[in-house]
Amino acid sequence: DAMVIQNPRYQVTQFGKPVTLSCSQTLNHNVMYWYQQKSSQAPKLLFHYYDKDFNNEADTPDNFQSRRPNTSFCFLDIRSPGLGDAAMYLCATSSGTNYEQYFGPGTRLTVT
Amino acid sequence: SQKIEQNSEALNIQEGKTATLTCNYTNYSPAYLQWYRQDPGRGPVFLLLIRENEKEKRKERLKVTFDTTLKQSLFHITASQPADSATYLCALGFQKLVFGTGTRLLVSP
Repeated sequence: DAMVIQNPRYQVTQFGKPVTLSCSQTLNHNVMYWYQQKSSQAPKLLFHYYDKDFNNEADTPDNFQSRRPNTSFCFLDIRSPGLGDAAMYLCATSSGTNYEQYFGPGTRLTVT
Repeated sequence: SQKIEQNSEALNIQEGKTATLTCNYTNYSPAYLQWYRQDPGRGPVFLLLIRENEKEKRKERLKVTFDTTLKQSLFHITASQPADSATYLCALGFQKLVFGTGTRLLVSP
């Protein structure tokens, strides 16, 4: 089945220790997104790629970076995680012509 | 700034009844509005998309209405089942989405 995969599902990191979350897709979609979702809050868009074009949201902290080496993979790098970065990180894709988004299961990040 | 409001209180209904969830928005004129379902600890799942020129959209037991004058969408689940228990998120936009915080639906047997 075509899908969006996120690894790991649970990630624990230490305050200030860089961490990378990964996302892959078998849908061959042009657009990939990263969202941050804290408990009982709405998913908040951090950035998205349309093919190789990177689009950062204005309020996304500089501490968050992303890479998309090819169509299938996208990475979220948090350079110096703070306690406030503990959240569920969701990867999503869309075709660019149909606007529904397909989400992965998420990575739950804990910062100790 | 854009604001999306969904009832933060959980909606409790009996199995077999129709659940109606509300999404209100301000400072926005979306061409598209989407509804997603999210189960605890999981990513959202797309349910329905409605365009600004569509008043109503149906899919099986689901129905969505979109009133651009009232700036409101209603999401209905008919003949609700316990398996429908989840959080339902409203989202505005097309390529970039702005999500509401969602309303939790609890369907009791």
